[in-house]
Amino acid sequence: ETGVTQTPRHLVMGMTNKKSLKCEQHLGHNAMYWYKQSAKKPLELMFVYSLEERVENNSVPSRFSPECPNSSHLFLHLHTLQPEDSALYLCASSQVGSYNEQFFGPGTRLTVL
Amino acid sequence: GENVEQHPSTLSVQEGDSAVIKCTYSDSASNYFPWYKQELGKRPQLIIDIRSNVGEKKDQRIAVTLNKTAKHFSLHITETQPEDSAVYFCAALNAGKSTFGDGTTLTVKP
Repeated sequence: ETGVTQTPRHLVMGMTNKKSLKCEQHLGHNAMYWYKQSAKKPLELMFVYSLEERVENNSVPSRFSPECPNSSHLFLHLHTLQPEDSALYLCASSQVGSYNEQFFGPGTRLTVL
Repeated sequence: GENVEQHPSTLSVQEGDSAVIKCTYSDSASNYFPWYKQELGKRPQLIIDIRSNVGEKKDQRIAVTLNKTAKHFSLHITETQPEDSAVYFCAALNAGKSTFGDGTTLTVKP
Protein backbone atom coordinates (compact mmCIF):
# COMPACT_ATOMS: atom_id res chain seq x y z
CA GLU A 1 0.00 0.00 0.00
CA THR A 2 1.22 3.48 -0.80
CA GLY A 3 1.16 6.66 1.26
CA VAL A 4 0.61 6.56 5.00
CA THR A 5 -1.14 3.60 6.60
CA GLN A 6 -2.40 3.14 10.12
CA THR A 7 -3.48 0.07 12.07
CA PRO A 8 -5.81 -0.71 13.59
CA ARG A 9 -8.49 1.50 12.05
CA HIS A 10 -10.75 1.07 15.07
CA LEU A 11 -9.85 0.20 18.65
CA VAL A 12 -11.96 -0.21 21.76
CA MET A 13 -10.11 -0.59 25.03
CA GLY A 14 -10.71 -0.51 28.74
CA MET A 15 -8.95 1.92 31.02
CA THR A 16 -6.62 -0.78 32.34
CA ASN A 17 -5.60 -2.14 28.94
CA LYS A 18 -2.33 -1.61 27.12
CA LYS A 19 -2.47 -1.25 23.38
CA SER A 20 -0.39 0.22 20.56
CA LEU A 21 -1.22 2.16 17.42
CA LYS A 22 0.96 1.67 14.38
CA CYS A 23 1.77 4.02 11.52
CA GLU A 24 3.81 3.26 8.44
CA GLN A 25 4.79 5.60 5.64
CA HIS A 26 5.89 4.50 2.17
CA LEU A 27 6.86 7.96 0.90
CA GLY A 28 10.54 8.09 1.85
CA HIS A 29 9.87 10.84 4.39
CA ASN A 30 12.03 11.50 7.44
CA ALA A 31 9.63 13.24 9.80
CA MET A 32 6.55 11.69 11.43
CA TYR A 33 3.79 13.12 13.59
CA TRP A 34 0.98 12.04 15.89
CA TYR A 35 -2.17 14.17 16.07
CA LYS A 36 -5.31 13.83 18.16
CA GLN A 37 -8.57 14.83 16.51
CA SER A 38 -11.64 15.35 18.66
CA ALA A 39 -14.69 17.56 18.75
CA LYS A 40 -12.99 19.63 21.44
CA LYS A 41 -9.78 20.29 19.49
CA PRO A 42 -9.97 19.37 15.83
CA LEU A 43 -6.25 18.89 15.11
CA GLU A 44 -3.95 18.77 18.11
CA LEU A 45 -0.27 17.99 17.59
CA MET A 46 1.01 15.42 20.09
CA PHE A 47 4.48 14.32 19.02
CA VAL A 48 6.97 15.05 16.26
CA TYR A 49 9.87 12.83 15.23
CA SER A 50 12.50 14.24 12.91
CA LEU A 51 15.21 11.91 11.62
CA GLU A 52 14.01 9.35 14.18
CA GLU A 53 14.53 11.69 17.13
CA ARG A 54 11.67 13.15 19.11
CA VAL A 55 11.74 16.90 18.65
CA GLU A 56 8.36 17.83 20.04
CA ASN A 57 6.24 16.62 22.92
CA ASN A 58 3.30 18.91 23.11
CA SER A 59 2.54 18.50 26.83
CA VAL A 60 1.04 15.10 26.26
CA PRO A 61 0.24 12.94 29.35
CA SER A 62 2.67 10.11 30.02
CA ARG A 63 -0.05 7.52 29.42
CA PHE A 64 0.77 8.14 25.73
CA SER A 65 4.23 6.91 24.79
CA PRO A 66 5.55 7.28 21.24
CA GLU A 67 8.20 5.16 19.59
CA CYS A 68 9.95 5.67 16.26
CA PRO A 69 12.22 2.69 15.52
CA ASN A 70 13.04 3.92 12.01
CA SER A 71 12.00 6.63 9.58
CA SER A 72 9.17 4.53 8.15
CA HIS A 73 7.45 3.41 11.34
CA LEU A 74 5.84 5.21 14.23
CA PHE A 75 4.02 3.74 17.20
CA LEU A 76 1.87 5.19 19.93
CA HIS A 77 1.77 3.02 23.04
CA LEU A 78 -1.29 3.48 25.20
CA HIS A 79 -1.80 2.51 28.84
CA THR A 80 -4.28 3.40 31.57
CA LEU A 81 -6.18 5.75 29.30
CA GLN A 82 -9.20 7.79 30.30
CA PRO A 83 -12.57 8.02 28.52
CA GLU A 84 -11.70 11.58 27.47
CA ASP A 85 -8.84 10.13 25.42
CA SER A 86 -11.41 8.71 23.00
CA ALA A 87 -10.70 10.38 19.66
CA LEU A 88 -9.36 9.88 16.16
CA TYR A 89 -5.57 9.55 16.22
CA LEU A 90 -3.95 10.65 13.00
CA CYS A 91 -0.42 9.95 11.91
CA ALA A 92 1.33 12.11 9.32
CA SER A 93 4.69 12.21 7.61
CA SER A 94 6.72 14.76 5.68
CA GLN A 95 10.19 15.64 4.60
CA VAL A 96 12.18 17.53 7.23
CA GLY A 97 12.18 21.22 6.39
CA SER A 98 10.16 24.37 6.69
CA TYR A 99 7.95 24.12 3.63
CA ASN A 100 6.92 20.56 3.42
CA GLU A 101 3.43 19.18 3.06
CA GLN A 102 2.31 16.67 5.64
CA PHE A 103 0.64 13.53 4.36
CA PHE A 104 -1.91 12.08 6.74
CA GLY A 105 -2.90 8.51 7.38
CA PRO A 106 -6.55 7.45 7.64
CA GLY A 107 -6.48 7.51 11.43
CA THR A 108 -7.34 5.12 14.24
CA ARG A 109 -10.70 5.65 15.89
CA LEU A 110 -10.06 4.97 19.59
CA THR A 111 -12.80 4.43 22.14
CA VAL A 112 -11.88 4.12 25.81
CA LEU A 113 -14.55 2.53 27.96
CA GLY B 1 4.15 29.15 21.32
CA GLU B 2 2.18 29.71 18.15
CA ASN B 3 -1.55 30.36 18.34
CA VAL B 4 -3.76 30.12 15.26
CA GLU B 5 -7.32 31.39 15.21
CA GLN B 6 -9.64 30.44 12.37
CA HIS B 7 -12.97 32.05 11.44
CA PRO B 8 -15.74 31.34 10.83
CA SER B 9 -16.24 27.94 12.45
CA THR B 10 -19.12 27.21 10.07
CA LEU B 11 -19.91 28.67 6.68
CA SER B 12 -22.85 27.95 4.41
CA VAL B 13 -22.98 29.26 0.83
CA GLN B 14 -25.04 28.70 -2.27
CA GLU B 15 -23.48 26.81 -5.13
CA GLY B 16 -21.62 29.23 -7.35
CA ASP B 17 -20.95 31.76 -4.61
CA SER B 18 -17.54 32.48 -3.14
CA ALA B 19 -16.31 31.37 0.28
CA VAL B 20 -13.63 33.03 2.37
CA ILE B 21 -12.00 31.58 5.49
CA LYS B 22 -9.59 33.64 7.56
CA CYS B 23 -6.80 32.70 9.95
CA THR B 24 -4.61 34.79 12.20
CA TYR B 25 -1.36 33.66 13.78
CA SER B 26 0.72 35.02 16.61
CA ASP B 27 4.33 33.99 15.93
CA SER B 28 6.01 36.28 13.40
CA ALA B 29 8.63 33.57 12.83
CA SER B 30 6.06 31.28 11.18
CA ASN B 31 6.95 31.02 7.53
CA TYR B 32 4.73 28.40 5.89
CA PHE B 33 0.94 28.38 5.77
CA PRO B 34 -0.83 25.32 4.33
CA TRP B 35 -4.55 24.73 4.00
CA TYR B 36 -5.99 21.25 4.37
CA LYS B 37 -9.39 19.91 3.34
CA GLN B 38 -10.96 17.06 5.27
CA GLU B 39 -14.05 15.43 3.80
CA LEU B 40 -16.32 13.49 6.11
CA GLY B 41 -14.69 10.26 7.21
CA LYS B 42 -11.50 10.95 5.29
CA ARG B 43 -8.02 12.15 6.11
CA PRO B 44 -6.92 15.82 5.81
CA GLN B 45 -5.31 16.59 2.46
CA LEU B 46 -3.33 19.64 1.39
CA ILE B 47 -5.15 21.82 -1.12
CA ILE B 48 -2.92 24.90 -1.28
CA ASP B 49 -0.05 26.46 0.63
CA ILE B 50 1.87 29.71 0.73
CA ARG B 51 5.32 30.66 1.93
CA SER B 52 6.04 33.80 3.89
CA ASN B 53 7.87 35.48 0.99
CA VAL B 54 4.76 35.38 -1.20
CA GLY B 55 1.63 37.50 -0.87
CA GLU B 56 -0.80 35.50 -2.96
CA LYS B 57 -1.06 32.14 -4.66
CA LYS B 58 -3.80 30.78 -6.88
CA ASP B 59 -4.69 27.32 -8.14
CA GLN B 60 -7.80 27.23 -10.33
CA ARG B 61 -10.77 28.04 -8.07
CA ILE B 62 -8.81 28.35 -4.85
CA ALA B 63 -6.44 31.08 -3.74
CA VAL B 64 -4.62 32.02 -0.59
CA THR B 65 -3.51 35.49 0.47
CA LEU B 66 -1.01 36.33 3.18
CA ASN B 67 -0.54 39.57 5.06
CA LYS B 68 2.65 39.16 7.09
CA THR B 69 2.38 42.56 8.73
CA ALA B 70 -1.06 41.85 10.11
CA LYS B 71 -0.24 38.16 10.62
CA HIS B 72 -3.25 36.81 8.83
CA PHE B 73 -3.94 34.68 5.79
CA SER B 74 -7.11 33.71 3.99
CA LEU B 75 -8.46 30.94 1.79
CA HIS B 76 -10.70 32.00 -1.10
CA ILE B 77 -12.84 29.52 -3.01
CA THR B 78 -14.70 30.85 -6.04
CA GLU B 79 -17.58 29.26 -7.93
CA THR B 80 -18.20 26.84 -5.09
CA GLN B 81 -19.53 23.38 -5.85
CA PRO B 82 -21.24 20.82 -3.58
CA GLU B 83 -18.05 18.74 -3.56
CA ASP B 84 -16.29 21.65 -1.86
CA SER B 85 -18.31 20.82 1.26
CA ALA B 86 -15.80 19.72 3.92
CA VAL B 87 -13.88 20.91 6.95
CA TYR B 88 -11.01 23.22 6.09
CA PHE B 89 -7.99 23.67 8.37
CA CYS B 90 -5.36 26.35 8.20
CA ALA B 91 -1.95 25.90 9.77
CA ALA B 92 1.11 27.97 10.56
CA LEU B 93 4.54 26.36 10.62
CA ASN B 94 7.75 27.46 12.26
CA ALA B 95 10.85 25.29 12.09
CA GLY B 96 8.73 22.36 11.00
CA LYS B 97 6.32 22.58 13.93
CA SER B 98 2.72 23.02 12.80
CA THR B 99 -0.13 24.65 14.69
CA PHE B 100 -3.57 24.15 13.21
CA GLY B 101 -6.66 26.29 13.42
CA ASP B 102 -9.85 24.77 14.78
CA GLY B 103 -11.35 24.23 11.35
CA THR B 104 -14.21 25.65 9.30
CA THR B 105 -17.10 23.47 8.24
CA LEU B 106 -18.08 24.63 4.77
CA THR B 107 -21.44 23.59 3.36
CA VAL B 108 -22.24 24.35 -0.26
CA LYS B 109 -25.95 24.14 -0.93
CA PRO B 110 -27.01 23.12 -4.44
